[in-house]
Amino acid sequence: EAQVTQNPRYLITVTGKKLTVTCSQNMNHEYMSWYRQDPGLGLRQIYYSMNVEVTDKGDVPEGYKVSRKEKRNFPLILESPSPNQTSLYFCASSTSGRADEQFFGPGTRLTVL
Amino acid sequence: QKEVEQDPGPLSVPEGAIVSLNCTYSNSAFQYFMWYRQYSRKGPELLMYTYSSGNKEDGRFTAQVDKSSKYISLFIRDSQPSDSATYLCAMWDYDKVIFGPGTSLSVIP
Repeated sequence: EAQVTQNPRYLITVTGKKLTVTCSQNMNHEYMSWYRQDPGLGLRQIYYSMNVEVTDKGDVPEGYKVSRKEKRNFPLILESPSPNQTSLYFCASSTSGRADEQFFGPGTRLTVL
Repeated sequence: QKEVEQDPGPLSVPEGAIVSLNCTYSNSAFQYFMWYRQYSRKGPELLMYTYSSGNKEDGRFTAQVDKSSKYISLFIRDSQPSDSATYLCAMWDYDKVIFGPGTSLSVIP
């Protein structure tokens, strides 16, 4: 089954404790991206990657890091999480290799205390 | 002014009604326009996308783009209870993707 998977689906952590949210797709897509979704603000792009070893900042990259060492994986790293990073996070990959046809994962609910 | 504005609703309609969902935008550089549907506790799923002014139809769904007015719409004909979800518009200018905040729709049987 074609899919984007994220782990963990739910995470509660404390301020300053480094964490990684994994994202993996089995569709051989080149384009992958990370979003956060907050009430009233919609989805905002954090980082995206057009291909292996190529990453670019989205609208809200501060406080986040990403890496793309393999085509299928695109982990999101929070080196020192803060409460304002409490949000619902989505990973996505694109069938077209562009941002116009994105296929989203199920989401990761992160709470930073 | 936000780059993309969307009436948050909630919008409640009876089954079988025609639904109109709308977004306005301020950046004339946007070239691609998308509509996503998001069910509760799920990731968004792509419904339709278009890159030109005019209408694009897919079953009960019609996407309409008016670049001169910076206005896009999604029409749902013969709405069904299974259409109850949040609908997100999104736009791309070959650089960044901007999503609207979403409109919550309930279709009452």
